[in-house]
Amino acid sequence: NAGVTQTPKFQVLKTGQSMTLQCAQDMNHNSMYWYRQDPGMGLRLIYYSASEGTTDKGEVPNGYNVSRLNKREFSLRLESAAPSQTSVYFCASQVSGANVLTFGAGSRLTVL
Amino acid sequence: QKEVEQDPGPLSVPEGAIVSLNCTYSNSAFQYFMWYRQYSRKGPELLMYTYSSGNKEDGRFTAQVDKSSKYISLFIRDSQPSDSATYLCAMEESFQKLVFGTGTRLLVSP
Repeated sequence: NAGVTQTPKFQVLKTGQSMTLQCAQDMNHNSMYWYRQDPGMGLRLIYYSASEGTTDKGEVPNGYNVSRLNKREFSLRLESAAPSQTSVYFCASQVSGANVLTFGAGSRLTVL
Repeated sequence: QKEVEQDPGPLSVPEGAIVSLNCTYSNSAFQYFMWYRQYSRKGPELLMYTYSSGNKEDGRFTAQVDKSSKYISLFIRDSQPSDSATYLCAMEESFQKLVFGTGTRLLVSP
């Protein structure tokens, strides 16, 4: 099993460009998450999806949109990228009723 | 004040040393406490999980929670170079409200 797979691993954008980060899990987990990790700030929750068809804002949702396409896939979209969105983005999934998150390997995004 | 405080390090120790990593928190409603390990350019992976106060041991790792002091610790015995990573504490009041510390970078030298 692959666990949580994120694509792309690396991306460089110019300010104002848009892009979508893809995430897929093969563990039949109900909940999925998008975090960003910045030096000195730790992991901060952007959006999460408790189940297929639902999404909710986390701590830092501004500038992002998400889509829970099906139970396996949860995408994160930047409509108009800004340099402040330069970060490492992690997708995670969680089985219902448990506190444990399984993370992907991360997507490194640089916005120039 | 952040909800969870963690010294960023780096913490440098020789191989075989006992390592103590710590976090303090301000929200007394936190009930679930976790330690994640993150190797360079990888995603975090769960290392230890405890519910409420007390100790939990798993091999060379011991997690300790003191809710009265709002303080959690991770001890690593007989540290190895392969333990070199960033250690993130995390805690949760209820499902889907996980709060992470900023992480402590640990370097174990041979």
